[in-house]
Amino acid sequence: GQNIDQPTEMTATEGAIVQINCTYQTSGFNGLFWYQQHAGEAPTFLSYNVLDGLEEKGRFSSFLSRSKGYSYLLLKELQMKDSASYLCAVVVTGGGNKLTFGTGTQLKVEL
Amino acid sequence: DGGITQSPKYLFRKEGQNVTLSCEQNLNHDAMYWYRQDPGQGLRLIYYSQIVNDFQKGDIAEGYSVSREKKESFPLTVTSAQKNPTAFYLCASSLGGFEKPQHFGDGTRLSIL
Repeated sequence: GQNIDQPTEMTATEGAIVQINCTYQTSGFNGLFWYQQHAGEAPTFLSYNVLDGLEEKGRFSSFLSRSKGYSYLLLKELQMKDSASYLCAVVVTGGGNKLTFGTGTQLKVEL
Repeated sequence: DGGITQSPKYLFRKEGQNVTLSCEQNLNHDAMYWYRQDPGQGLRLIYYSQIVNDFQKGDIAEGYSVSREKKESFPLTVTSAQKNPTAFYLCASSLGGFEKPQHFGDGTRLSIL
């Protein structure tokens, strides 16, 4: 089966940096997505990693290590509007690609 | 503005009733998807369609049905066979397969009366 693990909740302070981890054990791998989802709203695309390394996009960066089955999303200069759920999703191969989501990490940004 | 539209935002189902959730996109995307989101669980794939007139079952297709007669539209019917339909339903679309970013609609919240 497929297994994707993320912390359930995290709390951080406005202006700080936070790292949200995601580990996965899947039968095949063809990339990893991070999405942001505010309560009751649509998930929005943040990043996609398929090769090892760090991808930077403004205040958000995403890292992938395929050998370790590990990714993280790094949020810098946290703002109150960053309070949301962050979803890790793995493209699993085998019989065609499928996207498997983790349960999400609820981030709360405090003053 | 291009986007993906789901309707209605809230829907109530009586016991034994089928209900249909609408999903329309004007992004010219070939692929469309339906997910179910329950508290404490990740998004789970119900059905997907990579091309018009073709669709595939996802991980939890039982009790659901879809059609893809037009590129822009991918309606989901929740049948009376789905015994636990209360959930947040999300429709998405993408340019290609699962390795492409998906654009999501704002969701439909379905509840049982």
